Amino acid sequence: DAMVIQNPRYQVTQFGKPVTLSCSQTLNHNVMYWYQQKSSQAPKLLFHYYDKDFNNEADTPDNFQSRRPNTSFCFLDIRSPGLGDAAMYLCATSSAAGTSGRAPYEQYFGPGTRLTVT
Amino acid sequence: GENVEQHPSTLSVQEGDSAVIKCTYSDSASNYFPWYKQELGKRPQLIIDIRSNVGEKKDQRIAVTLNKTAKHFSLHITETQPEDSAVYFCAASRWDSNYQLIWGAGTKLIIKP
Repeated sequence: DAMVIQNPRYQVTQFGKPVTLSCSQTLNHNVMYWYQQKSSQAPKLLFHYYDKDFNNEADTPDNFQSRRPNTSFCFLDIRSPGLGDAAMYLCATSSAAGTSGRAPYEQYFGPGTRLTVT
Repeated sequence: GENVEQHPSTLSVQEGDSAVIKCTYSDSASNYFPWYKQELGKRPQLIIDIRSNVGEKKDQRIAVTLNKTAKHFSLHITETQPEDSAVYFCAASRWDSNYQLIWGAGTKLIIKP
């Protein structure tokens, strides 16, 4: 009954080689988030979608892009990964109305994709 | 903008004792305060949350208190067990920011047997 799915769970890419991470959800939540989390740190919000409206954090590097083709799917593209981009990437969803037993605004996280850059 | 400070960064308690983690926030308009537990290599999971119209909320061994005047909130875990060992994050958010979370830095809770 996985509700937020991330693929792949582990990704190894070479320095400078583009990579795409994917997230899908069965919660029908209208908000989707991408976070970067490095060891022992809090998750850092990169951007989020409220429905189709894209919201970029001011300090998110241009190297990071995102696409949300429909309600269920969201992608994170890293155009030219550097060694400093090695991290866990977490996708999360929420709904202002609260759905599927989740309280309004509660963010529900996927299992994450561990990105290694060689 | 909002800032959330979390203390302590590491907390070691004897199994069976209580643990308290404290957070302060700067934006008086913040009105939603969740607590997430993250075990090593796993996703953050919501364990309890509180909204600004409530002063305290309890769920079995876990409780959260909120002091809006002082702008701080705390997580209380009683009768700690080994499975409580994890990193705990507090966060604050407000309704007019799509409830984006502003995270504390995290507290590593160690339960000693």
